[in-house]
Amino acid sequence: QVQLVESGGGVVQPGGSLRLSCEASGFTFSHYGMHWVRQAPGKGLEWVALVAYEGSNKYYVDSVKGRFTISRDNSRNMLYLQMNSLRAEDTAVYYCAKDWAELLFNYYYMDVWGKGTTVTVSS
Amino acid sequence: DIVMTQSPDSLAVSLGERATINCKSSQSVLYTSNNKNYLAWYQQKPGQPPKLLIYWASTRESGVPDRFSGSGSGTDFTLTISNLQAEDVAVYYCQQYYSSPPRTFGQGTKLEIK
Repeated sequence: QVQLVESGGGVVQPGGSLRLSCEASGFTFSHYGMHWVRQAPGKGLEWVALVAYEGSNKYYVDSVKGRFTISRDNSRNMLYLQMNSLRAEDTAVYYCAKDWAELLFNYYYMDVWGKGTTVTVSS
Repeated sequence: DIVMTQSPDSLAVSLGERATINCKSSQSVLYTSNNKNYLAWYQQKPGQPPKLLIYWASTRESGVPDRFSGSGSGTDFTLTISNLQAEDVAVYYCQQYYSSPPRTFGQGTKLEIK
């Protein structure tokens, strides 16, 4: 079945770095754009980043530009989020999600979500 | 960026009754070239990730009960849950996918049983 499994979360000090991973299975990973979405404790959903199906185009929410980098390895069915210069406000559950559109450079809604990995930024 | 605003922030509805959640976008999400509204609804139950309910404003995702329906066009949209069941307790989010990223969500509406 279609599945996304995130890993790599943890506790990190302000200014530190962390790399999140998302392993995909059950679908042709290399055909779909992939998103990261986060949810701070008790708050709503915030879209963070998107990478095109072949890895060329990348988009970020303004608050993480220059600090976070989204990437993918289609040979390993893996999605990544490198997070540098972490701040307290980055504390959240981070979800990876699959875009609906196949082999397109247009991006739509998220039809499959992982269970999330928790990132806590605290001294 | 397109801002999505949901109302109300929370509501309590009796079992078997109808729940109505509204979503308003700061600009139209209707593409006139294909007459499609680029809006989705998600359900998030406590302790779970979000789940896609509806896309193109009114198309139910496979497996979603038909008591869930979406309507609206342009800037104003509604998620209606008929015959409310206990398992429908959740937070519901709308999301636009009209423009180039960023993707934006509404702030969420918490649905409880009265």
